[in-house]
Amino acid sequence: DADVTQTPRNRITKTGKRIMLECSQTKGHDRMYWYRQDPGLGLQLIYYSFDVKDINKGEISDGYSVSRQAQAKFSLSLESAIPNQTALYFCATSEGVADTQYFGPGTRLTVL
Amino acid sequence: GNSVTQMEGPVTLSEEAFLTINCTYTATGYPSLFWYVQYPGEGLQLLLKATKADDKGSNKGFEATYRKETTSFHLEKGSVQVSDSAVYFCALSDLGGGYQKVTFGIGTKLQVIP
Repeated sequence: DADVTQTPRNRITKTGKRIMLECSQTKGHDRMYWYRQDPGLGLQLIYYSFDVKDINKGEISDGYSVSRQAQAKFSLSLESAIPNQTALYFCATSEGVADTQYFGPGTRLTVL
Repeated sequence: GNSVTQMEGPVTLSEEAFLTINCTYTATGYPSLFWYVQYPGEGLQLLLKATKADDKGSNKGFEATYRKETTSFHLEKGSVQVSDSAVYFCALSDLGGGYQKVTFGIGTKLQVIP
């Protein structure tokens, strides 16, 4: 079984809809991250969490919110989706500072 | 701030050719350096890493050396295979205010043809 899972894998929605992307991990890591990937831009950090009570904004948090329901679960929400949020979204975990990050398979989101 | 520079590609090579993907970085501290690989339809996975100057990371025939004097971490492989076709991301991890910050390059697409 995969260590980091994301649901859904693909989602098409309309402008203005609320969307939640979910991430679960079985690696036992405290640190979890949400990134978006756009062609030619690499990965940009949206939010990161170092434990259940510690959530921080990344480079591009506007229009997004997160919830860390448990050590193993970290959800990303788009309160009112817009077309320029169409992208590939990745969740990742790491054990500690400067450690390897482990990525989920990604969620492809299309906002019409 | 920190940054990572790599060419976007695509880089197209014939099977068994020599591969070099250049990566240079700027960082305020003493970062750890990584190469991640993304196969089609999958998430990124660690290929190799180096945590201090002059360290060499290696895995699956790929290698990269942490060069502090040239702020580089170029990825090399002596003989590529079709199965190496993927997108390769250079990244650095640095402490910023006590928190780990990871900065990724834009990714270089590699296409290996038989």
